[in-house]
Amino acid sequence: EDQVTQSPEALRLQEGESSSLNCSYTVSGLRGLFWYRQDPGKGPEFLFTLYSAGEEKEKERLKATLTKKESFLHITAPKPEDSATYLCAVQPLFSGGYNKLIFGAGTRLAVHP
Amino acid sequence: SAVISQKPSRDICQRGTSLTIQCQVDSQVTMMFWYRQQPGQSLTLIATANQGSEATYESGFVIDKFPISRPNLTFSTLTVSNMSPEDSSIYLCSVEARRNEQFFGPGTRLTVL
Repeated sequence: EDQVTQSPEALRLQEGESSSLNCSYTVSGLRGLFWYRQDPGKGPEFLFTLYSAGEEKEKERLKATLTKKESFLHITAPKPEDSATYLCAVQPLFSGGYNKLIFGAGTRLAVHP
Repeated sequence: SAVISQKPSRDICQRGTSLTIQCQVDSQVTMMFWYRQQPGQSLTLIATANQGSEATYESGFVIDKFPISRPNLTFSTLTVSNMSPEDSSIYLCSVEARRNEQFFGPGTRLTVL
């Protein structure tokens, strides 16, 4: 069964304290792995897509990496405005003819001044 | 990325009634998706709406409870029928854009009393 597990569930950081969020996945063939940011009361905001092991993508203080079993979202020198829930999702290669996403439970990040 | 709007943004409904949620996108897209996000939880796919064909429902979701329309390439509706308090959730639509990436609307927050 396709599955996504994110850790930790919640993370509290001081401003400037770098850290990483983990997304472990089990999927019968990976079409892509997605990272989203979700602020309270809003829809998920697209951050990155990774397609193959070894791929890396960066956006401001965020960097996403991918291996065959997991992905990391590295946050360098975070600021309070980075506080949000970060969601990881996988898109199975074989999913009945359409590109469904399977989401993890998310990591709630709080960055304090 | 596509610009997606949803109506209503929130609603409070009585049990036993039905609510139709609209999703409008600013460009033509082939695939639209409907997700549910229950309080404190991650996103679960309800169904995929492909223009010109019937929606494809995920396990645990049925057409009688969540009928979907997809009359054209920029619009879809999801109806939550015969509501109960367990249907209180955020309902999100998403569209598939370039390279299988999905972009989400702002969501509809539904409370059933």
